[in-house]
Amino acid sequence: QQKVQQSPESLTVSEGAMASLNCTFSDGTSNNFRWYRQHSAKGLEVLVSIFSDGEKEEGRFTAHLNRANLHVSLHIREPQPSDSAVYLCAVLNTGYQNFYFGKGTSLTVIP
Amino acid sequence: EAAVTQSPRNKVTVTGGNVTLSCRQTNSHNYMYWYRQDTGHGLRLIHYSYGAGNLQIGDVPDGYKATRTTQEDFFLLLELASPSQTSLYFCASSDALWGGYEQYFGPGTRLTVL
Repeated sequence: QQKVQQSPESLTVSEGAMASLNCTFSDGTSNNFRWYRQHSAKGLEVLVSIFSDGEKEEGRFTAHLNRANLHVSLHIREPQPSDSAVYLCAVLNTGYQNFYFGKGTSLTVIP
Repeated sequence: EAAVTQSPRNKVTVTGGNVTLSCRQTNSHNYMYWYRQDTGHGLRLIHYSYGAGNLQIGDVPDGYKATRTTQEDFFLLLELASPSQTSLYFCASSDALWGGYEQYFGPGTRLTVL
């Protein structure tokens, strides 16, 4: 079973500073990774999907994947208070039609 | 954009009660999922289905039944609810995830079992 761990559990940044979130996983054969944002226990909004090593940018959100290091990160450029939410990392379980999720990083952006 | 709706949005029941959570998607996705979200555990898969009449067991299926009656409708059944099933439940739908398709989530149902 894929193990997905996120760090830090919580992060506070000032508006405009870069926010960096980390996610490690246990099975390096997966090739399908997602970052989601969740506001106040509401539905999940997909931010970035990445399928190969390297970088994928979607607006202010950039994901970096390094499968050899079992690591995927999310960087948020110029975060705003409205970006305050829980960010979830999801890794597709190889051979199954299912994502495994981390427990999330709670991000607070202060004005 | 894909639409996934859930009902009810909030539900309170008592221990031993019978609860049905409903999910509908309107984009003819093959796959539908039920997850629960709890503090300290993230999202965990309960059951999923790849078509009407199909059911696959997820990672935390105990105490739950599910039924996919149509392409659009997926139900989660708690026949003898227990306080440990108090949680936020999400339904999702997608086409084949290994093909890079997105998984779309509903707004969630908050269930409290007293």
